[in-house]
Amino acid sequence: KNQVEQSPQSLIILEGKNCTLQCNYTVSPFSNLRWYKQDTGRGPVSLTIMTFSENTKSNGRYTATLDADTKQSSLHITASQLSDSASYICVVSPTGGGNKLTFGTGTQLKVEL
Amino acid sequence: NAGVMQNPRHLVRRRGQEARLRCSPMKGHSHVYWYRQLPEEGLKFMVYLQKENIIDESGMPKERFSAEFPKEGPSILRIQQVVRGDSAAYFCASSPGSQRTDTQYFGPGTRLTVL
Repeated sequence: KNQVEQSPQSLIILEGKNCTLQCNYTVSPFSNLRWYKQDTGRGPVSLTIMTFSENTKSNGRYTATLDADTKQSSLHITASQLSDSASYICVVSPTGGGNKLTFGTGTQLKVEL
Repeated sequence: NAGVMQNPRHLVRRRGQEARLRCSPMKGHSHVYWYRQLPEEGLKFMVYLQKENIIDESGMPKERFSAEFPKEGPSILRIQQVVRGDSAAYFCASSPGSQRTDTQYFGPGTRLTVL
């Protein structure tokens, strides 16, 4: 069973709309949680990184939240643009795991006109 | 400052051949990570290296796979006697240090196809 589960698996929204992507993890204890954006055929690009003591982190139109008690994180995208179409991946770094990252399978987001 | 570079971007091999994947980390980065992404799956950690040292290879198959990061030159992921199941995208990432909060910067990946 994957230790990082994401939902929904895929999502289609209209340009300009907001959306929220979910991540549930069982990795524990963990050091930090990251969100990456991966365009088709490209490597992942870091959006946010939060330690276990942080609740929220913003990067432009991207806002990530973290609830360490319920082991949930979300990524909120505001005023979506066509270029936001990509896979959004939740990644957890376990404590004691060195720099080994555990990846979710991602949410495939498509923004349409 | 060039990003993480990987070559080749696409590699086709027949079963039984060897595949060599190269990764040049970002300038100033001495930590390199290799990940594999199978179709429709998330990235899976394979190995973590520093210059001339393998720090963690717990995600790498015990046979046919090896990795190195020499003092000079790129990091190499080597797959001997490839099989169809090795077909995947292989991503390299680098970071400036070993802090757990260090961002890992990813390269564009090498897509390996085994015929």
